[in-house]
Amino acid sequence: GAVVSQHPSWVICKSGTSVKIECRSLDFQATTMFWYRQFPKQSLMLMATSNEGSKATYEQGVEKDKFLINHASLTLSTLTVTSAHPEDSSFYICSAQGTSGSVEQYFGPGTRLTVT
Amino acid sequence: QKEVEQNSGPLSVPEGAIASLNCTYSDRGSQSFFWYRQYSGKSPELIMSIYSNGDKEDGRFTAQLNKASQYVSLLIRDSQPSDSATYLCAVGVGGGFKTIFGAGTRLFVKA
Repeated sequence: GAVVSQHPSWVICKSGTSVKIECRSLDFQATTMFWYRQFPKQSLMLMATSNEGSKATYEQGVEKDKFLINHASLTLSTLTVTSAHPEDSSFYICSAQGTSGSVEQYFGPGTRLTVT
Repeated sequence: QKEVEQNSGPLSVPEGAIASLNCTYSDRGSQSFFWYRQYSGKSPELIMSIYSNGDKEDGRFTAQLNKASQYVSLLIRDSQPSDSATYLCAVGVGGGFKTIFGAGTRLFVKA
């Protein structure tokens, strides 16, 4: 149980284009989903927290107009990197918390984004 | 600023030994604590959660929590080369619905 998927697993895009990453909880309903970014040999950096049906809460320093998050249902959240630039190249990982009240987070496999 | 501190390592132990990973946290109100394992190039995997003072054992893993000292540890018994990874300590804040991650400790288990 507690399986989270992400799609795509990797993507290469040209500078200035937008990329959408999907995060799905496959066998449970997720009240809250989190989006993280991780640069090589660095720790996870929380970008934003999203709750189903409401606007995402962004961490300080994260541009909400650049990283658009939509949590459309209890099993799906999307992150769109708009007008991507090479410095946005990173490993993007989502996680999900269930509706049962548990605070444990289950991570998706991550999406490696390369902007050329 | 709520923080979670870990020794970055690397921690190197021989196969079959006990690996001891430590973590301290700053938020005295935290009630939930987690250990994640992250292999290179992969996403974190939850291996232990602990909510009460004392020890919690699951197979070769034992998590230890001391809220008075704001200290969490993870012991890995009979370490295997496959345990070589980065171990992330994570602490729930704000009622547990947000988690702060440490920078991780790299563990190498030598065959």
